Amino acid sequence: DQQVKQNSPSLSVQEGRISILNCDYTNSMFDYFLWYKKYPAEGPTFLISISSIKDKNEDGRFTVFLNKSAKHLSLHIVPSQPGDSAVYFCAASAAGANSKLTFGKGITLSVRP
Amino acid sequence: EPEVTQTPSHQVTQMGQEVILRCVPISNHLYFYWYRQILGQKVEFLVSFYNNEISEKSEIFDDQFSVERPDGSNFTLKIRSTKLEDSAMYFCASSEWGNQPQHFGDGTRLSIL
Repeated sequence: DQQVKQNSPSLSVQEGRISILNCDYTNSMFDYFLWYKKYPAEGPTFLISISSIKDKNEDGRFTVFLNKSAKHLSLHIVPSQPGDSAVYFCAASAAGANSKLTFGKGITLSVRP
Repeated sequence: EPEVTQTPSHQVTQMGQEVILRCVPISNHLYFYWYRQILGQKVEFLVSFYNNEISEKSEIFDDQFSVERPDGSNFTLKIRSTKLEDSAMYFCASSEWGNQPQHFGDGTRLSIL
């Protein structure tokens, strides 16, 4: 079941540069998308979300872009900081209350000082 | 900042035994979820719960699993007769409304021997 795909398992960037994390989905019913960050031995921490009626949402250093026609979203982190080093999960849900989240496999981001 | 708390952090149980995992969701949240992550795999949805009943469950959530909200604060997941393949990280999550960001606890690592 690969409804949410994060095809790159890892990404390494220099501190201060931009990190771009990509995510693709196949289920046309998905209309709400989220990014979570996870440190070892902790649960996923919500970062930012976007509804399908928007194509961009920004919160501080984090921006999520949604391209519905391509079924693609991306998370931009600018500028990247060493504390951003973690596993990042893309997740999606379909309309309706109690909507379950479908997760991607995650991507490990390493920010080099 | 309010958070979801889970106990215990690690549970070791003999195969065939019953186990109860406990969660205290964020106090004003109305929707509750359980997810699990088998080592090296994706985070998978198990069950959602609202208004004292199950809203949706996955095919993983068979008759061996049950959930309960025994009082105004706790939300529990019971596995009646554990199997080796139940070994995983179990995450509880809650959200204020449906299709709002879900907030996760730090998980319970369940090890079945």
